[in-house]
Amino acid sequence: RKEVEQDPGPFNVPEGATVAFNCTYSNSASQSFFWYRQDCRKEPKLLMSVYSSGNEDGRFTAQLNRASQYISLLIRDSKLSDSATYLCVVNIPTSGTYKYIFGTGTRLKVLA
Amino acid sequence: GAVVSQHPSWVICKSGTSVKIECRSLDFQATTMFWYRQFPKQSLMLMATSNEGSKATYEQGVEKDKFLINHASLTLSTLTVTSAHPEDSSFYICSALNAYEQYFGPGTRLTVT
Repeated sequence: RKEVEQDPGPFNVPEGATVAFNCTYSNSASQSFFWYRQDCRKEPKLLMSVYSSGNEDGRFTAQLNRASQYISLLIRDSKLSDSATYLCVVNIPTSGTYKYIFGTGTRLKVLA
Repeated sequence: GAVVSQHPSWVICKSGTSVKIECRSLDFQATTMFWYRQFPKQSLMLMATSNEGSKATYEQGVEKDKFLINHASLTLSTLTVTSAHPEDSSFYICSALNAYEQYFGPGTRLTVT
């Protein structure tokens, strides 16, 4: 089983739609969780850190479910500019430190 | 805040030569930086973790003698691809850790001919 798994998509949604992505992780000792956005041929940019209580930033809501070992990202009122690849990142303890594991990403295309 | 720069943004080199890539945290100090490689249509693959003042920790399958990492200060880490070959052509991205969040440099596109 992969350490971090995401549905690669693509998710094609109309403008204004609500779309949700899930990401599952295998290591129950994982401490921190993040969603990044990556545009084609660009570096990833931090979208949100994911907190245990869930957090919201404008149209974006992130949730963490430790029992089922998944995190989710909800995007409301999708804009054309939301088209990108969304990467799930999990912080995994290893050899006294941590490393960050990326999922393969979920592609989103918002259509006019 | 939390800006990371990377230089060069792209480089073309001949097979057998070495290429150095710099990663700098501009407005914060980073004891830990990461080096990733990304092939087209694939996700980022962690190559190594760079810690200031100590040896880098390499991921399985990454040759430490081929990919030399030096984290000489709290704001600078360098990756040197030695004796580059065409299969080393890729997008190399660094990130710097600020608290628990990673901030990425803009990446370096390496093409080896």
